[in-house]
Amino acid sequence: DAKTTQPTSMDCAEGRAANLPCNHSTISGNEYVYWYRQIHSQGPQYIIHGLKNNETNEMASLIITEDRKSSTLILPHATLRDTAVYYCIVRPLNSGGYQKVTFGTGTKLQVIP
Amino acid sequence: NAGVTQTPKFQVLKTGQSMTLQCAQDMNHNSMYWYRQDPGMGLRLIYYSASEGTTDKGEVPNGYNVSRLNKREFSLRLESAAPSQTSVYFCASSQMPDSNEQFFGPGTRLTVL
Repeated sequence: DAKTTQPTSMDCAEGRAANLPCNHSTISGNEYVYWYRQIHSQGPQYIIHGLKNNETNEMASLIITEDRKSSTLILPHATLRDTAVYYCIVRPLNSGGYQKVTFGTGTKLQVIP
Repeated sequence: NAGVTQTPKFQVLKTGQSMTLQCAQDMNHNSMYWYRQDPGMGLRLIYYSASEGTTDKGEVPNGYNVSRLNKREFSLRLESAAPSQTSVYFCASSQMPDSNEQFFGPGTRLTVL
């Protein structure tokens, strides 16, 4: 799996956009970028994934650079409930067998009132 | 639609005691997983079940057994608990075994004294 690098922590004012970066410079052509988050004392939660086009869903937007070496998860209007650790993962979509979800250290996002 | 549920939420055991962690999903998913999460170690896969009737070992299966009771339920058993098994245990499910979109339960916090 490609290695990802994320900042250890970030702060964001409530109501503002939270932009969480992820570097994945060794990503392969068949690897997708996935984002999960883990709110304190809860299980991880899938947010969004993408290959090379920007993606948006009800939770967030994912912007992937043209060279695919980095991406940014955007929470458009951060709320206090978005305070969590955010994990960026790169994996092939269908690699055969089970998909072990490997989490790095992630970015701890603190949303400030 | 409850998603993935786990019982119990908390448990304290003495060394040598046995117990079973229960997991159920109501999303009609084919695949289910058991992970443990320890500080600084990320999530590690214990066992998984690609489909009803099958189970396979993950990264750290020693000291555990599993049962895929039916399509909905996947239990994890500790036959003789050890302090090294103190951890947070997460159950997850996915539509297919090669799906990266896994849905996680709230976790069981287990302490073995």
